[in-house]
Amino acid sequence: GDSVTQMEGPVTLSEEAFLTINCTYTATGYPSLFWYVQYPGEGLQLLLKATKADDKGSNKGFEATYRKETTSFHLEKGSVQVSDSAVYFCALSGTGGSYIPTFGRGTSLIVHP
Amino acid sequence: DTGVSQDPRHKITKRGQNVTFRCDPISEHNRLYWYRQTLGQGPEFLTYFQNEAQLEKSRLLSDRFSAERPKGSFSTLEIQRTEQGDSAMYLCASSPWTEKGETQYFGPGTRLLVL
Repeated sequence: GDSVTQMEGPVTLSEEAFLTINCTYTATGYPSLFWYVQYPGEGLQLLLKATKADDKGSNKGFEATYRKETTSFHLEKGSVQVSDSAVYFCALSGTGGSYIPTFGRGTSLIVHP
Repeated sequence: DTGVSQDPRHKITKRGQNVTFRCDPISEHNRLYWYRQTLGQGPEFLTYFQNEAQLEKSRLLSDRFSAERPKGSFSTLEIQRTEQGDSAMYLCASSPWTEKGETQYFGPGTRLLVL
């Protein structure tokens, strides 16, 4: 079945540092890929998405590129802020005729001033 | 813009009791999903509806769990004879089914603790 693997957290960074959170996937066909973010005490919200190979999703300074050859969708940001502290989830959907998403375990990001 | 709402936000119950959670999706969304999330894990799919039809249920969903979406609007998730292993965050999400890469809009969740 489909699966998503994320790097384990927590990832701890100082403000203005460069961020990379790795995500790789296993899926049949050509899924759509997503990053969701969950701030403390809140539900998940979409951060960015890409629906086909080589697409780049971007939002709020975050970027991720759909790499079919390496089955990856790594999340990057050039300069993190304290307000970026949250849990980040990589997800895929749209394989085998099913739209039910598969989520990774989440990666906690802690940004210190 | 009213988002997805869930009620209650927190529920503490004793083992063996029944509990019911409610989800109000974004009004124009025809798909509604229920997930369970435990600490350190991503959301785990339970079931989903398209309008009032329940189209799929996870194999992990035991007979003690039932969900409804009458009239294709709000949805309820009931857990009968709760067990301590049911303690988790229950998430609801809705989406407009328009394309392959549909975005899910999540509610804040209901945190259940079974004593």
